Order: sequence, then C-alpha cells, then structure tokens
Amino acid sequence: AQSVTQPDIHITVSEGASLELRCNYSYGATPYLFWYVQSPGQGLQLLLKYFSGDTLVQGIKGFEAEFKRSQSSFNLRKPSVHWSDAAEYFCAVLNNAGNMLTFGGGTRLMVKP
Amino acid sequence: GAGVSQTPSNKVTEKGKYVELRCDPISGHTALYWYRQSLGQGPEFLIYFQGTGAADDSGLPNDRFFAVRPEGSVSTLKIQRTERGDSAMYLCASSQDNSYEQYFGPGTRLTVT
Repeated sequence: AQSVTQPDIHITVSEGASLELRCNYSYGATPYLFWYVQSPGQGLQLLLKYFSGDTLVQGIKGFEAEFKRSQSSFNLRKPSVHWSDAAEYFCAVLNNAGNMLTFGGGTRLMVKP
Repeated sequence: GAGVSQTPSNKVTEKGKYVELRCDPISGHTALYWYRQSLGQGPEFLIYFQGTGAADDSGLPNDRFFAVRPEGSVSTLKIQRTERGDSAMYLCASSQDNSYEQYFGPGTRLTVT
C-alpha cells in the first residue's frame, strides 16, 4: 500500500530565509506526487505536481520540488520565505487508479519576522 | 471562476443525530471526492464519484456513512447516528475528466458533542 511520510511536524524559519520541507513516499510504480498548502479556514491549494519528465518542478508562489527516485523523496523548497507562507503543507501520492490521494501528516510552517 | 463550495462551513450536532454535508463541485467537473481530516493529521480518502455513481467507496469507515450524487453534480455526505469520533473536517474535491488534479473546497467542520 502506498504511504507518505513528512518527518517534520513543525518548522520555524525567519522571513527571507530558505525553506525545505521533506517528503518521503512508498509506492510500487512511478509515483504521481503533489504538494498542497492549507491556510487556516481555507481548503487545500495545489502548489505543484510531478507526473514524469524533469525531476525539478516549479509551482505557484515561488515554490519548487525535486523528485529523487533513489531516495523516494519529493522535497519542497523555496529560496526566500515570506510571512504569508505560514501555513500547513501536505505532500500526497496518487494511487494506481488515479482516484485517491494518500496524504502525509503535514508540516506546519511558522515564519519569524 | 467559482471553486468547490461546501455547506455548512461548521456543523455542531449531538451524539446519535443524523447530519448531511453538501458539496458543490466546480462546474463541468465529472469526478468528485470526499476526504476526512482529523485534527493534526492529513486528509484521508472516503469516497470517489465518477458521474452519478460511487466508483470507489473503500474509504468509508462503516455503514453509518453514505454519500450520493444523484445528478452527477452536487454531492451529499450523510452520517447516521453520529459519534464523537466523527468530529473532523470533511473536505470535498473535484476534478475534470482525465485530470489527476483535485481541487478542494474549504471544508465542513463537524463537531459531535
């Protein structure tokens, strides 16, 4: 069965600093991977996705993620964090049938001024 | 354009009561999904509709949970004899046919007292 692990429950960074959120997945075939962001009172917003091709994918709000098959990872990065990036971030993998996302437990990002 | 909408945004009910949660998908989206998110966790899949039929209901926790989508658009998640453990955020998502990108609504927060 597929699974997603986000090892960091909470991360605090200073505004302007770089950010990396970790995601490890378990999946038998080539995974379809996603990062979502959830702000308080709002639904999940898709940041970026990886299906195939270039392993470095660009998303919205200046985020990028790199797929590394050898490490079963899909880490999210941003070179310079803004206070508005404070939110909860979820990594997810799609099942074979293409109809079910399995999410990690999430990483809560706090941004210090 | 309009996104996925869910009503009510909050629902408080007493243990043992029946509740209905509504989801309006993005217009033209044929696929609809329900997920449940407990506090501090990632969303968990409940059920998937393609058109009017429930194509995958493997995530429904027990027979107290039921969902319908009679006209292939709006969906209602129904919970009978609610229990305190049903308290969670219920998220709805929709996607276009042949697309793996799921767009989420803001959710309904259900509290069972």
